[in-house]
Order: sequence, then C-alpha cells, then structure tokens
Amino acid sequence: NAGVTQTPKFQVLKTGQSMTLQCAQDMNHNSMYWYRQDPGMGLRLIYYSASEGTTDKGEVPNGYNVSRLNKREFSLRLESAAPSQTSVYFCASSEAASGRQTQYFGPGTRLLVL
Amino acid sequence: GNSVTQMEGPVTLSEEAFLTINCTYTATGYPSLFWYVQYPGEGLQLLLKATKADDKGSNKGFEATYRKETTSFHLEKGSVQVSDSAVYFCALSILTGGGNKLTFGTGTQLKVEL
Repeated sequence: NAGVTQTPKFQVLKTGQSMTLQCAQDMNHNSMYWYRQDPGMGLRLIYYSASEGTTDKGEVPNGYNVSRLNKREFSLRLESAAPSQTSVYFCASSEAASGRQTQYFGPGTRLLVL
Repeated sequence: GNSVTQMEGPVTLSEEAFLTINCTYTATGYPSLFWYVQYPGEGLQLLLKATKADDKGSNKGFEATYRKETTSFHLEKGSVQVSDSAVYFCALSILTGGGNKLTFGTGTQLKVEL
C-alpha cells in the first residue's frame, strides 16, 4: 500500500516548455487534489476532482490543466511554463468529498522554471 | 471567504519545553479543523483533527480543542522532542457543492534543540 505517489520528484524546465506531473493513489479514494506550496503562503489549491469524471478549479488555476484519467490517477499539466510556476506541487486524495474527510498527501514534486 | 491565521515562525524551543502554536480561523458555516505536519523533504501528514465545536483532537502527545466562541484551534504539547522539529499547518475544511477543499494557514516552523 503505497498511498499517494507522485512523479517526477524534481524537474527543471525552461520558460515556455510543457510538462505533466503525475499522481496516483491506491486507497480507492474518490476525490483528488493538486496544491502548490510557496514560501510564506502555505498550500493553495490549484484544481480538484471530487469524483471520477469531474474536475473543478481551485484558488490558483491559471496556467494549469488537469485530467482525471481514472479513479486512481490525476495529472497536472503546465502547457507553457513560467518562472512564477516555480514551486513544490503536492497531490492529495480523500475518501469522499466531505468536509470531515482527511486528505492524504504525496511526497511532492519540486519544479524549477528558468 | 474562509481563512486561517497561525503564528509566525520559526519557533525555537529546548527539548521538554511546552509548545503552543496559535491558530484562528474565519469561516462561513461549520468547518472541520485540522493540524497537518510536514517533516523536512516530505509531504504533509495529518496530525489531528476535530469536526465539531468543543471536540479535542489528539495524537502523539499533541492536542487541540475546537473553540467556536473564540474561533480558535491552538496546538499544544506538554514536552517537545527534537524529533518534533517540523512545519505545522493549521487548516479548515467546509463541505461545499464542489466538495472537500482545505484552506491552509501559512505554516509555523518548529525547531527543538537539545
């Protein structure tokens, strides 16, 4: 039982390049989330998927797209990377879209955009 | 909107000292409250939670009580250890039509020295 896994762990991009961050969970959770973590700002929600087949914008969606590929996998795509997207990205999942549910986090992807 | 305010860090303590990290929140409705911990180089993991007023969450010697009257959820531990050194995040969650979305504070770094 690996929980939430993310790939890659670290990536360097040049401005304008594209990439996809991968996330998978093996806990049979319905809901999945993408956050970014920046110094002094805590974690901010980029996109989430309350259930398979649905996705919605979070607090900071501009410059990103997501795909809920199946119940296990939720990917985050940067179409044209910008230095402002340098951050640590965390994927999370929860059993259901309930306010009481605990979210389980992956180890993160550290992205540097030059 | 919803927001979480927690004390600035870093907080530096000697081993066996008493710890308090303050957290206050603003929310419409009745949130669930969480403390997450992030050890160096890792993702976030749930430390404790409380889902209704006057509930006390506890885990690994840490405690926090959901105080609706003061809109607070302060984290306490009677005797900290070096291994408690980490960043602590207070967060709230309210069920909305779009699901379970966490709002985080900015995090408080704790350093425990021998």
